[in-house]
Amino acid sequence: QKEVEQNSGPLSVPEGAIASLNCTYSDRGSQSFFWYRQYSGKSPELIMSIYSNGDKEDGRFTAQLNKASQYVSLLIRDSQPSDSATYLCAVNGNSGGSNYKLTFGKGTLLTMNP
Amino acid sequence: GAVVSQHPSRVICKSGTSVKIECRSLDFQATTMFWYRQFPKQSLMLMATSNEGSKATYEQGVEKDKFLINHASLTLSTLTVTSAHPEDSSFYICSASVSGQGYEQYFGPGTRLTVT
Repeated sequence: QKEVEQNSGPLSVPEGAIASLNCTYSDRGSQSFFWYRQYSGKSPELIMSIYSNGDKEDGRFTAQLNKASQYVSLLIRDSQPSDSATYLCAVNGNSGGSNYKLTFGKGTLLTMNP
Repeated sequence: GAVVSQHPSRVICKSGTSVKIECRSLDFQATTMFWYRQFPKQSLMLMATSNEGSKATYEQGVEKDKFLINHASLTLSTLTVTSAHPEDSSFYICSASVSGQGYEQYFGPGTRLTVT
């Protein structure tokens, strides 16, 4: 059973600070890792993808991957009120010729302190 | 790029009727499309995976005769909820992925179904 674990939160961060979201996964063969943002009542939006160990930066977002520790994280710098949302970690196993389904974590709710 | 549309965005139907939801990839050809359901304050639940021209693969516990999926082309998949009941009321979301890009999935805006 493939599992993706996230702290459900809520994670409360002061506006302008760095938000750090963490995720662990159980399938060591996982190849692709994604972070989605989901506003209440809306569908998920892909914000970051990462495939190799290390950091990947895109604007205020940085994804970090450590396959040895089976750990992926998302940093959001200069947090804004618009960053308040649920962040979903998703992992693609890329194994056995499957349809490359994503396994999602349950999401971390991020809120801003004014 | 990577835009996925869904239609309708919201539908209300009477118990016992059927509802069809369309999912289209607008600017790319999708290798695979996925259908999810999400109840309020709960996680995404994958219902089925579909590839163009072949039968959908349903997740355990999802009734294939109730949730009919047709994937007629590389840009269009449809989900038909047959003989809908109030317990089928939910947020239905499709996604589409492309091979060669790490199989990133791009989500449609979702369809909110209410069965009365």
